[in-house]
Amino acid sequence: GDSVTQMEGPVTLSEEAFLTINCTYTATGYPSLFWYVQYPGEGLQLLLKATKADDKGSNKGFEATYRKETTSFHLEKGSVQVSDSAVYFCALSDPTSGGSNYKLTFGKGTLLTVNP
Amino acid sequence: NAGVTQTPKFQVLKTGQSMTLQCAQDMNHEYMSWYRQDPGMGLRLIHYSVGAGITDQGEVPNGYNVSRSTTEDFPLRLLSAAPSQTSVYFCASTQGNTGVTEAFFGQGTRLTVV
Repeated sequence: GDSVTQMEGPVTLSEEAFLTINCTYTATGYPSLFWYVQYPGEGLQLLLKATKADDKGSNKGFEATYRKETTSFHLEKGSVQVSDSAVYFCALSDPTSGGSNYKLTFGKGTLLTVNP
Repeated sequence: NAGVTQTPKFQVLKTGQSMTLQCAQDMNHEYMSWYRQDPGMGLRLIHYSVGAGITDQGEVPNGYNVSRSTTEDFPLRLLSAAPSQTSVYFCASTQGNTGVTEAFFGQGTRLTVV
């Protein structure tokens, strides 16, 4: 079945540092890929998405590129801020294997803490 | 614009008690889902619905029931609560299958079963 593996946390960075959170996936079809963010005490919000190979999703300074050859969707940001402290989830939906955009498979989440 | 509303936000149950977690959305979305979030496990799909009157099981359905009598509401019922059901529960809704669209999540219900 489909699965998502993302780097274990927690990750602690200083403000303005470069961020990478690795995410790789296994899917039988051609999935769409997502990054969701969960701020403390809140639900998940979509951060960015990519629907086909070589697509780059971007939002709020974060970027991720859909790499089919390496089955990866790593999240990057050039300069993190304290307000970026949150839990980040990589996820996929795979309509071709019986799922759809309403059935998401999540990674375990990575807690990011940014210190001033 | 309320989006997805879950109630209650917190709940403590005794083992064997039953309860219903409420979820309502005001975006006229066709698809609704329930996930549970456990430490180190990410989110796992419990049940989902593709429209009023249609529901199906996800990855971890045991011990939970759902129904979808209206487009707006998708309650999750715990029939006989067990400590293993201690978790944070999230409801999500997604627009109909018109392409890849984002899932909107409620703020969660933190459930403790003692």
